[in-house]
Amino acid sequence: DTEVTQTPKHLVMGMTNKKSLKCEQHMGHRAMYWYKQKAKKPPELMFVYSYEKLSINESVPSRFSPECPNSSLLNLHLHALQPEDSALYLCASSQEPAGGFVKNIQYFGAGTRLSVL
Amino acid sequence: GDSVTQMEGPVTLSEEAFLTINCTYTATGYPSLFWYVQYPGEGLQLLLKATKADDKGSNKGFEATYRKETTSFHLEKGSVQVSDSAVYFCAYYNQGGKLIFGQGTELSVKP
Repeated sequence: DTEVTQTPKHLVMGMTNKKSLKCEQHMGHRAMYWYKQKAKKPPELMFVYSYEKLSINESVPSRFSPECPNSSLLNLHLHALQPEDSALYLCASSQEPAGGFVKNIQYFGAGTRLSVL
Repeated sequence: GDSVTQMEGPVTLSEEAFLTINCTYTATGYPSLFWYVQYPGEGLQLLLKATKADDKGSNKGFEATYRKETTSFHLEKGSVQVSDSAVYFCAYYNQGGKLIFGQGTELSVKP
């Protein structure tokens, strides 16, 4: 089973709202990732959690706040977003933090399609 | 620097046609190489991988061979189906552990 589950599938929010995206995996993976993807473009890395600790923040604006409550769960808290933040947000996980080895293959969820009005 | 270059899309083919999507990379060393596929409205799925030179990855009728000499990993399929319509991404991990993607190639297969 290589399933990464993301909820909700769709989200519409105003610029003053606070919302959260959720990601869950039960593969025992120790690394989890958030990506942002615009239409027909490659995913852009936002955050990496390694063993439940934030290891990479790709200079993401503070209106995006990640959280890793345990090894199976990853949240992305959203606050005061801008219309240009509308995108598909993808979560991924890998057995170990990426280091170029095959066991670090990232498995992606189906994503949350976010619209900011 | 680290980069992946894919042929530009969209690529439009008739059903049962032969498919090639070119991918070349610039990297330090010889990283493992991947093809991911993204069907409409879905996330990315790993399609196939190759871990060393001359390895051939294959899955669902797709194949790609790791060519060290030409730093390429071209994706091929002998007979495409309408259900293969998707965006295809070539990728590898750089030495910093970041997954480097190509820009993606959209494939549209017509009946």
